[in-house]
Amino acid sequence: DGGITQSPKYLFRKEGQNVTLSCEQNLNHDAMYWYRQDPGQGLRLIYYSQIVNDFQKGDIAEGYSVSREKKESFPLTVTSAQKNPTAFYLCASSVSGQGASEQYFGPGTRLTVT
Amino acid sequence: AQSVAQPEDQVNVAEGNPLTVKCTYSVSGNPYLFWYVQYPNRGLQFLLKYITGDNLVKGSYGFEAEFNKSQTSFHLKKPSALVSDSALYFCAVRDGTGANNLFFGTGTRLTVIP
Repeated sequence: DGGITQSPKYLFRKEGQNVTLSCEQNLNHDAMYWYRQDPGQGLRLIYYSQIVNDFQKGDIAEGYSVSREKKESFPLTVTSAQKNPTAFYLCASSVSGQGASEQYFGPGTRLTVT
Repeated sequence: AQSVAQPEDQVNVAEGNPLTVKCTYSVSGNPYLFWYVQYPNRGLQFLLKYITGDNLVKGSYGFEAEFNKSQTSFHLKKPSALVSDSALYFCAVRDGTGANNLFFGTGTRLTVIP
């Protein structure tokens, strides 16, 4: 899983509560990404950031928010507006947000909302 | 728009036999293609990528992939399967925006039978 850490590994929340997932990397990568993984659907991009203090919506950004105040950190907040938040969340980083550099993934956080 | 298809949800192969995990793609412009592997409850690990050059790409753990432009395919192969290769495999293509965002297939679960 390289130099990317995600915490916690498992997270349980009640419906209606916001929750923030942590992602930290020590690879000095410029770009960072958040994906959601559901069974049989592969990975879907939630948000990405090509550089500090900048981020863009991915394919399924509704109900999520992010910040990129530091190069090494890219926290994801799952808000109460996300209709189906239970999923496995994966953070990734790459050297650059351009070109075709491979992405390195963290170990993931499994979020369960009841 | 880009798309990736992994036509087989499940592939079973006997230990020691060659394995193939199939991937076809659709993308405007030059294709940048990737293979990742995921072990249970873990993040994704990069195996290999095709950017340009030789159609046969060699990657980690003895895996290789063959790029076929006429068939728009990028199949993952290994000459001799190990039980430890059992995992979930994802094919991905860089999207057409110029950013380094990846669009993933739905995954193929490989089981190597001892």
